[in-house]
Amino acid sequence: DIQLTQSPSFLSASVGDRVTITCRASQGISSYLAWYQQKPGKAPKLLIYAASTLQSGVPSRFSGGASGAEFTLTISSLQPEDFATYYCQQLKSYPFTFGPGTKVAVK
Amino acid sequence: QVQLQESGPGLVKPSETLSLTCDVSGLAISNGHYWGWIRQPPGKGLEWIGSIYHSGSTNYNPSLKSRLTMSVDTSKNQFSLKLTSVTAADTAVYFCARLNYDSSGPRIYYYYMDVWGKGTTVTVSS
Repeated sequence: DIQLTQSPSFLSASVGDRVTITCRASQGISSYLAWYQQKPGKAPKLLIYAASTLQSGVPSRFSGGASGAEFTLTISSLQPEDFATYYCQQLKSYPFTFGPGTKVAVK
Repeated sequence: QVQLQESGPGLVKPSETLSLTCDVSGLAISNGHYWGWIRQPPGKGLEWIGSIYHSGSTNYNPSLKSRLTMSVDTSKNQFSLKLTSVTAADTAVYFCARLNYDSSGPRIYYYYMDVWGKGTTVTVSS
C-alpha cells in the first residue's frame, strides 16, 4: 500500500493567516492526490483533486501544489469556517489511502 | 443534484455480519461511476474500505478483503457492503461516496470522491 504522511498533525492559527499543510507519499503518485476538509460530525468535503485542481464551488483561497512526492494545501487567508481537519488521499493505486489528517485550530 | 444516504443497523454483535446500504438519488448508479465505502473509527482518521462499479467489478482494501463483500442493485439504484466476523475494531462511522474522475488524456484518470453520504454510525458490541 502507498503510505501518506501529513505535517503538521496539528496547527493553531488566526483568522487571516496563511496556512500550509504538507502531504508526502511513500512512493511516486504523480498528481493522483486529493484534499478534503472535514468538520466534526460531518462527511469530508472535496477541496482539490489532481493535486492542484480546485473543486467547483470551493473558495479560491484554497490551492494545491506538488513537487515530486511532496504535496501542499495552502489556505491564503484563513477564514472562521476553515477551522477543521484536512486529509490528503492518494488515488494512484488501490487501496486509495488517506493521510492521518491535520487539525487546524484557533490560536 | 446527486445525493447519497447510508442505512443499516447501528448496533452489531461481535462475530456477526455488518450490512449497510447506500441509496443513490439524482443519478443512475449505472451511469459510469465507481462507488465507494470509507469508514472512520471514533476520534481517528479515514480508512478506504473499497469501491464497486455498476457492473459489479470491485476493489477491496486488502486489510478487509477476506471479510468484505460489496454489491450493486441497479434496479433499486443502491449499493451495499457486508463485513463478516466483526469485532470492536470495526466500530466506526461508515460513509458511502461517489468516485468521480477527470480525464486529461488516454488512460489518464484523476479520481476523486466528490459526493458523500452523511455517514452512519455502527457500533460493535454485545
